[in-house]
Amino acid sequence: GESVGLHLPTLSVQEGDNSIINCAYSNSASDYFIWYKQESGKGPQFIIDIRSNMDKRQGQRVTVLLNKTVKHLSLQIAATQPGDSAVYFCAEILGGGSQGNLIFGKGTKLSVKP
Amino acid sequence: DTEVTQTPKHLVMGMTNKKSLKCEQHMGHRAMYWYKQKAKKPPELMFVYSYEKLSINESVPSRFSPECPNSSLLNLHLHALQPEDSALYLCASSPTPEPEKLFFGSGTQLSVL
Repeated sequence: GESVGLHLPTLSVQEGDNSIINCAYSNSASDYFIWYKQESGKGPQFIIDIRSNMDKRQGQRVTVLLNKTVKHLSLQIAATQPGDSAVYFCAEILGGGSQGNLIFGKGTKLSVKP
Repeated sequence: DTEVTQTPKHLVMGMTNKKSLKCEQHMGHRAMYWYKQKAKKPPELMFVYSYEKLSINESVPSRFSPECPNSSLLNLHLHALQPEDSALYLCASSPTPEPEKLFFGSGTQLSVL
């Protein structure tokens, strides 16, 4: 399943399928990007990050892709599991900025159907 | 210990009450943050403490008063709040104020009556 982030805040996928969550970030000067997962009743949890000198970074079952040309970030989750159900936020920090310049996107809710 | 602990988990208060939210981390992090999160919205930054000094105040009303007694503790004092201040208040920390991942607590769900 694939979402378009800001324009489709809910993504529903079948357990075992791959999920793609997209994010259009706002500033071409941003050079650090992070994905957070927030489960119901909990605070955001770090998933993966990427700096602007990279196009791709892989973690355990997750991959982040960065396309600076079109200011687009995506999170791919392989073999989606029920425990992946959550709201996913992308976030960006402007180049030379500190954590105080962290900008969160609006979020995408991922629902995994058994 | 890789946790950020927030207390209480839930708080109901009247508009004339004074209450405090508490946050604690023992990871040796030198930057701590308060965020406010409304339902179905992303977190919004309120305050940043860097090396126990307030470095950022995002134009937060004075009815919210942060305090950092030491490098492990962060408080948010609440006084004369409004119903629209009802939200999830999240504390976070990071090793430094430089761009890197944040460690969030589970938040305090605040209701102002």
